[in-house]
Amino acid sequence: QSALTQPPSASGSPGQSVTISCTGTSSDVGGYNYVSWYQQHPGKAPKLMIYEVSKRPSGVPDRFSGSKSGNTASLTVSGLQAEDEADYYCCSYAGSNNFVFGTGTKVTVL
Amino acid sequence: QVQLQESGPGLVKPSQTLSLTCSVSGDSVSSAAYYWTWLRQHPGKGLEWIGYIYYSGSTYYNPSLKSRVTISIDTSKNQFSLKLSSVTAADTAVYYCARFYYYDSSGDYPYYFDYWGQGTLVTVSS
Repeated sequence: QSALTQPPSASGSPGQSVTISCTGTSSDVGGYNYVSWYQQHPGKAPKLMIYEVSKRPSGVPDRFSGSKSGNTASLTVSGLQAEDEADYYCCSYAGSNNFVFGTGTKVTVL
Repeated sequence: QVQLQESGPGLVKPSQTLSLTCSVSGDSVSSAAYYWTWLRQHPGKGLEWIGYIYYSGSTYYNPSLKSRVTISIDTSKNQFSLKLSSVTAADTAVYYCARFYYYDSSGDYPYYFDYWGQGTLVTVSS
């Protein structure tokens, strides 16, 4: 199985929006509504930001939103804040009790 | 508050077996709602799902690692463990344990990793 494809980097000024794509196949992203997104600050463990494509866990700001179209999922961070600067990873269920992560995107707040 | 903590050697020789344990507090590994998971992150790289185990002992592994991985669970100690055999330098990574939310009482299958350990760096070197 191959890792899901994410852009290596994305950036925006404070207050702006940034959208990160996550492209897979019909066997993972396109086949299931089990896409989750994780934020990881340097040296820290990943933190869940979005699950089931577009659901937000309690405590995650509503500035974070998710969507999916076909084999591509997306994470949008609106109203960028300095603390949003981090690496972001998507993850998809790939069937048969198997999971695949994305290549990761480094978000920079300019 | 759920907490997970990895423990084990930080240095393993090539061809040997990597062994790590994850101690869980604030929850029970006997819960039917969760799978207990191992993941890893190569230096400067992305995350990789290694596998997970259910309280019943059912295990599922990443196909690319399946021949070398064993995950076990000890409900009496509220722990679960990872063994990775025949390691090489390519297995050098930060290893994380995590809880996978499999099923909730409303009948939904959330399917996400919600609590993670802090991670432990394992280096494979002679």
